[in-house]
Amino acid sequence: GAGVSQSPRYKVAKRGQDVALRCDPISGHVSLFWYQQALGQGPEFLTYFQNEAQLDKSGLPSDRFFAERPEGSVSTLKIQRTQQEDSAVYLCASSGSRTSALDEQFFGPGTRLTVL
Amino acid sequence: QKEVEQNSGPLSVPEGAIASLNCTYSDRVSQSFFWYRQYSGKSPELIMSIYSNGDKEDGRFTAQLNKASQYVSLLIRDSQPSDSATYLCAVNTLNTGTASKLTFGTGTRLQVTL
Repeated sequence: GAGVSQSPRYKVAKRGQDVALRCDPISGHVSLFWYQQALGQGPEFLTYFQNEAQLDKSGLPSDRFFAERPEGSVSTLKIQRTQQEDSAVYLCASSGSRTSALDEQFFGPGTRLTVL
Repeated sequence: QKEVEQNSGPLSVPEGAIASLNCTYSDRVSQSFFWYRQYSGKSPELIMSIYSNGDKEDGRFTAQLNKASQYVSLLIRDSQPSDSATYLCAVNTLNTGTASKLTFGTGTRLQVTL
């Protein structure tokens, strides 16, 4: 597709449920990032993939958060045993180069997660 | 101290005026700088990137970078009501040998009034 796509766009979960959020990056983009955005805040980095390799997961807030990108394209962010503090918009971004620090990142529409 | 600081606003400017949005950052080794526009309920949209000191112009937008002062700004000329949004400053924070994650400020809300 022309841009980054994410699904679902909205997700309501009961506390304790597991959720899976999907990201389909721009075709051919090597790098994929996940961010979390709370209301009134800027996006906060969660994790980064270069192809299928997860090179940085320093932003994942707890071991309940897990991300994968097994074939170097689509990525899934999984949150186990969701808590109310996990309520946020989860943004996926992709960029085109392997190692350049100058890459522009393009965001998908986000998934708004609400945990009741 | 936050790594990327922005005034949260709102910054109110009349239609047709110049809007000036400012951002400071703390990491001296930061290499690349981005401005994103985010409408309410939407995701961030990249509008400008800048990598070297000086000015970079793109249409009505001008980004300015001063690495010595650790300061980056965005000027919007001939502001339009459609420019009303939150503007996020983002800085590339490179960890040695790994990722090029972005660190964002909290954003400045711009209101362009008729």
